[in-house]
Amino acid sequence: QQQVKQSPQSLIVQKGGISIINCAYENTAFDYFPWYQQFPGKGPALLIAIRPDVSEKKEGRFTISFNKSAKQFSLHIMDSQPGDSATYFCAASVTGANNLFFGTGTRLTVIP
Amino acid sequence: NAGVTQTPKFQVLKTGQSMTLQCAQDMNHEYMSWYRQDPGMGLRLIHYSVGAGITDQGEVPNGYNVSRSTTEDFPLRLLSAAPSQTSVYFCASSYSSDPGQGIGGYTFGSGTRLTVV
Repeated sequence: QQQVKQSPQSLIVQKGGISIINCAYENTAFDYFPWYQQFPGKGPALLIAIRPDVSEKKEGRFTISFNKSAKQFSLHIMDSQPGDSATYFCAASVTGANNLFFGTGTRLTVIP
Repeated sequence: NAGVTQTPKFQVLKTGQSMTLQCAQDMNHEYMSWYRQDPGMGLRLIHYSVGAGITDQGEVPNGYNVSRSTTEDFPLRLLSAAPSQTSVYFCASSYSSDPGQGIGGYTFGSGTRLTVV
């Protein structure tokens, strides 16, 4: 059973557009929500993360929006660039745990 | 600074064969783990270790063994390969077993693509 549900599976965006990837979870014990970025042939790398005490976190062109009551969080990539083309994974964990539960991934393609 | 190094990058096995996937890190991280990545499934935890001599099972441990004799190395052993173990395997390490601690989260290697025929 997938602990974190992610959509869409793939996304095509024009250069300069906004990319939005959504995730949902059921386990209310989750209190750490990172996004990982993976380029072809590479391992995932931490992109940005949020904790449920805030509703939004922004780092450059990347923003996480978090809705605790809906148990949903999303990644927004503003002014998307071809270099952003990668697979994005949302994840969730519980403080003190030894595991990250990953979503199924979204393959983003940014067209020049 | 090499980070997390995985070998080999590619491997083809016949059903029933055994092999060891190697993972080494040079960051003095106490926590190391193995994930498998399958289409439509994301990454799932196989085994993890919070320090030398300590290992534990993750979500999908069946068919795999691990050991941690040193801080640097965390090999994953396939005992008798099956087609269901065809996957991309990633080793990860971190300062803390809690992925929310520290700055960089988990550091992943570049993966081993394993095909079992």
